[in-house]
Amino acid sequence: GENVEQHPSTLSVQEGDSAVIKCTYSDSASNYFPWYKQELGKRPQLIIDIRSNVGEKKDQRIAVTLNKTAKHFSLHITETQPEDSAVYFCAATRRSNTGKLIFGQGTTLQVKP
Amino acid sequence: NAGVTQTPKFQVLKTGQSMTLQCAQDMNHEYMSWYRQDPGMGLRLIHYSVGAGITDQGEVPNGYNVSRSTTEDFPLRLLSAAPSQTSVYFCASSSSGTVSYEQYFGPGTRLTVT
Repeated sequence: GENVEQHPSTLSVQEGDSAVIKCTYSDSASNYFPWYKQELGKRPQLIIDIRSNVGEKKDQRIAVTLNKTAKHFSLHITETQPEDSAVYFCAATRRSNTGKLIFGQGTTLQVKP
Repeated sequence: NAGVTQTPKFQVLKTGQSMTLQCAQDMNHEYMSWYRQDPGMGLRLIHYSVGAGITDQGEVPNGYNVSRSTTEDFPLRLLSAAPSQTSVYFCASSSSGTVSYEQYFGPGTRLTVT
């Protein structure tokens, strides 16, 4: 079945440094790749997404890159701040059925002041 | 709009008991899904629905039943609870439109089975 692998499982950076989280997916028909942030005790919330017809997307300090050939996509956070500390999840699905999101295992990001 | 709502927030069951987790959305979304979240394992898809009357299995469907009689509601039934079903359960919904594919999550139900 479909599978999404996410690395690393934990990531600790100093405030102001960059953080990179990587994911690979198995279903070559996947064409929508969202990233969710989950703070402790809260629900996951979408922070950025990318569609398969785009190689890169930026939103202020957050960017996502997609390599369809390698079935690989990454989240980049620049100038990290303590409030970026959370668990981040990547996911993959087909736009024709976004109810069937397959998630990675999650990355716990800690930003040290 | 209330978005996606779930009840109850917390529940403790004994092994073998049954219960229904409720989920409702007021965004007229076609797609609805149930996930369970366990430490270190991310969010795993239990069941999902592409519209009223249509449901399908996800990654971990065993021990759970769903039905979708209306667009708004998507309840999850545990037929005979087991300790392995102790988890946080999230319901989510999304639109079939092309403007946004975002899945919106409910606040979650924390279930403990003893």
